[in-house]
Amino acid sequence: EAGVVQSPRYKIIEKKQPVAFWCNPISGHNTLYWYLQNLGQGPELLIRYENEEAVDDSQLPKDRFSAERLKGVDSTLKIQPAELGDSAVYLCASSPSSGGFDTQYFGPGTRLTVL
Amino acid sequence: DAKTTQPTSMDCAEGRAANLPCNHSTISGNEYVYWYRQIHSQGPQYIIHGLKNNETNEMASLIITEDRKSSTLILPHATLRDTAVYYCIVRDIQGAQKLVFGQGTRLTINP
Repeated sequence: EAGVVQSPRYKIIEKKQPVAFWCNPISGHNTLYWYLQNLGQGPELLIRYENEEAVDDSQLPKDRFSAERLKGVDSTLKIQPAELGDSAVYLCASSPSSGGFDTQYFGPGTRLTVL
Repeated sequence: DAKTTQPTSMDCAEGRAANLPCNHSTISGNEYVYWYRQIHSQGPQYIIHGLKNNETNEMASLIITEDRKSSTLILPHATLRDTAVYYCIVRDIQGAQKLVFGQGTRLTINP
């Protein structure tokens, strides 16, 4: 079974430029998460989707970050414009549902460097 | 979710048991203890979870004290591939379905 796929794995951009990250969750997983991981820190949740619906986006900086999950499968996270402080690893995870003991499966992440 | 306290780093010799402690003194009755690990340049990986009984699976054992205020993750025969950051997380199954990661323990397995 294929795991969570993310692309690109690495991205280098200049500040004020836009950037987008793509995530393909494990087939059949209804719940999708985007996490941000700063260097030396644990991941922090940005947004959680149940199918197409964003049910927890309280930690998403909405002035510059946006996300979508059309058709309840793939998801895209966008930053526009990027700032120096956005340099981090962006992790995508999925789980069969959000309830009970469902394990979250993580992708390898996209490492963003903003110059 | 309750906060956890873990040592910043630990070392263990290859082939020996690695015992990773976690303090969660403010854990409530409906919160479970979860362990994830993150190998360099990879996403976190689920290891094990438990409520109050000791648990064992193919990866590790989880020992939770009777008062549930602390737990220990045991890797019985550590290998070099177990070098990673290990996160102890307490999670309310009934509440918000997110994992709140701390800084974890950086475990280094030495040959």
